[in-house]
Order: sequence, then structure tokens, then C-alpha cells
Amino acid sequence: DSGVTQTPKHLITATGQRVTLRCSPRSGDLSVYWYQQSLDQGLQFLIQYYNGEERAKGNILERFSAQQFPDLHSELNLSSLELGDSALYFCASSVGLGAQYEQYFGPGTRLTVT
Amino acid sequence: GEDVEQSLFLSVREGDSSVINCTYTDSSSTYLYWYKQEPGAGLQLLTYIFSNMDMKQDQRLTVLLNKKDKHLSLRIADTQTGDSAIYFCAGRYNTDKLIFGTGTRLQVFP
Repeated sequence: DSGVTQTPKHLITATGQRVTLRCSPRSGDLSVYWYQQSLDQGLQFLIQYYNGEERAKGNILERFSAQQFPDLHSELNLSSLELGDSALYFCASSVGLGAQYEQYFGPGTRLTVT
Repeated sequence: GEDVEQSLFLSVREGDSSVINCTYTDSSSTYLYWYKQEPGAGLQLLTYIFSNMDMKQDQRLTVLLNKKDKHLSLRIADTQTGDSAIYFCAGRYNTDKLIFGTGTRLQVFP
């Protein structure tokens, strides 16, 4: 158990809908990362937050947005869902900035868009 | 840009050694990692190596880094059925993000 929790574990929804994925980092971790794992694109970085502020952006679609709240939990919002958005979404956390800090991964949320 | 490639599949007999290979294009990564993903589970960090090292050994795991050829490998000694999983190499770059390889599915048969 990494200490990172993600809810829900599974989510099935229809095209055009909007969903919110939630991540609680390890206690004391200030940085949160979101990754998407799909058959087409593999594992790719979406976005990073540090202490409530956006820190880095990767291949995140405009239909997707995220935020980190004062209690450090993070939410990833996916809207106007398409079939191709079906994927496993991982959240990771680390205590600080910099490559010397390990990223701990949550178990993921499996999103199925029908 | 950053690109990390791995072979897709490796099959080994229990007790043999497994070698999983990874090549990358961007040499600016300071750390290189190996992650393991079991079915239905998240990513587990197995080991990592600093970019100024050539080799790191951690129990049954040996990581070799050839910076000249931009090649990273993970050797698992005495491979067990519990080692069956997908293995990802990853590099960490200036923005902290991890760039993952395509993943190698390791199948261990008795």
C-alpha cells in the first residue's frame, strides 16, 4: 500500500458525460501528479500540482482539468467524454519537488466510456 | 524530445534470469527508474539509478546503464512466477514528470 488513495476504483459512463476522479496523496506529500494509461498512448503524464498550484502540464486535453485543494487532495475533471478517454488514470504523490523525491502511485481509477 | 522504447514481451523459465531492455533518446534525465505493474494494480517502484552511475544491484535486481548508447537494462536473477508482470522503465526530467517506456510484459513459466 503506497498510501495514495484514489476514488472511485471503477467508473463506467457514457460519451458526452463529465466525471471527477479524486486523489488523496500520502500524508505530508505536497506534490500530486496525474498520469493516464491507455492501450493507444501507453503511460503518459497529464499534469502536476504542488501545494495547490499547477506546476507542469503534459499531454492533457483541453476537455480535462485538475486542481489541488488546500487539504492537498486533488481532483481530475474529464468532460465531454469520448470513447478514446477510456483508460486507467493514476495519481502519484511526492513530498517535494525534484527528482530525488520518489513518486508513490495510487491503485488507479479505471474509466470506461461507452 | 523524450522517447523511451522497450520490447513488448519476454518469456522466461522459472529460475532463469530475465533481462528487460530499454532505450531512450533524451540523455538529460537525472534518474532512471524501473516500475512493476501487476494485473489490476498500480505502479510499484522497483529500483532506480542515478545518471552518473553505471550499475546498481539490489538483491535479485541489477540495473545497468550505458549512457553512450542510451540503454538501460534490468536483470532479475532467479526469476519466479511472482515476477510475472509488466515492467516499465522511466526517466525523470526537469519538470519532475516521469516519461515511461512502452512496457515489457514478463511471463514466467514453470
